[in-house]
Amino acid sequence: AQTVTQSQPEMSVQEAETVTLSCTYDTSESDYYLFWYKQPPSRQMILVIRQEAYKQQNATENRFSVNFQKAAKSFSLKISDSQLGDAAMYFCAYREYFGNEKLTFGTGTRLTIIP
Amino acid sequence: NAGVTQTPKFRVLKTGQSMTLLCAQDMNHEYMYWYRQDPGMGLRLIHYSVGEGTTAKGEVPDGYNVSRLKKQNFLLGLESAAPSQTSVYFCASSPPIAQGGTEAFFGQGTRLTVV
Repeated sequence: AQTVTQSQPEMSVQEAETVTLSCTYDTSESDYYLFWYKQPPSRQMILVIRQEAYKQQNATENRFSVNFQKAAKSFSLKISDSQLGDAAMYFCAYREYFGNEKLTFGTGTRLTIIP
Repeated sequence: NAGVTQTPKFRVLKTGQSMTLLCAQDMNHEYMYWYRQDPGMGLRLIHYSVGEGTTAKGEVPDGYNVSRLKKQNFLLGLESAAPSQTSVYFCASSPPIAQGGTEAFFGQGTRLTVV
């Protein structure tokens, strides 16, 4: 079974600085998708960024970018120019491509933005 | 466009009572999922469905049952609630990856307390 590990339960960053959240995963598959979801206090799950495993280029969405290392099974999220609205729980997730296409989550990282 | 709607949003149950959580999606998605979210444990998959009339067990299925009689609805039942089932429950839906869908869409969550 696939597993997703987020080893940083909590992180903090000064406003306008850059922070990197870590995620590792375990799989024997070659094709899959990886995601970062944001969960603000409203509890809503919001997709931040996605990465297709067969694409070598790292995904980028405005201030959010990933460092995808397929061989190392690592998928970190970098947030540049941190803003107060970035404060939230961040979940890394894995979706298998074949089979039942289940979505597996890590345990989350709570990000605090320091004004 | 409502997306994924969960009913109810909050509920308090007494130990031993039963209840059903309803998830409805209007995006014609094949796949639907039920997760529970507990502090420090991320989102854990309870049951999922890959199409109308199908269901399968996830990571933590004990104490829960599900049904998917209609494509747009996925019901989660607790036959005899226990305090250990106090949690926030999320429903999600997604199209198959082969149909161009990778992202899962989430409901707003149901906070269930069992006393």
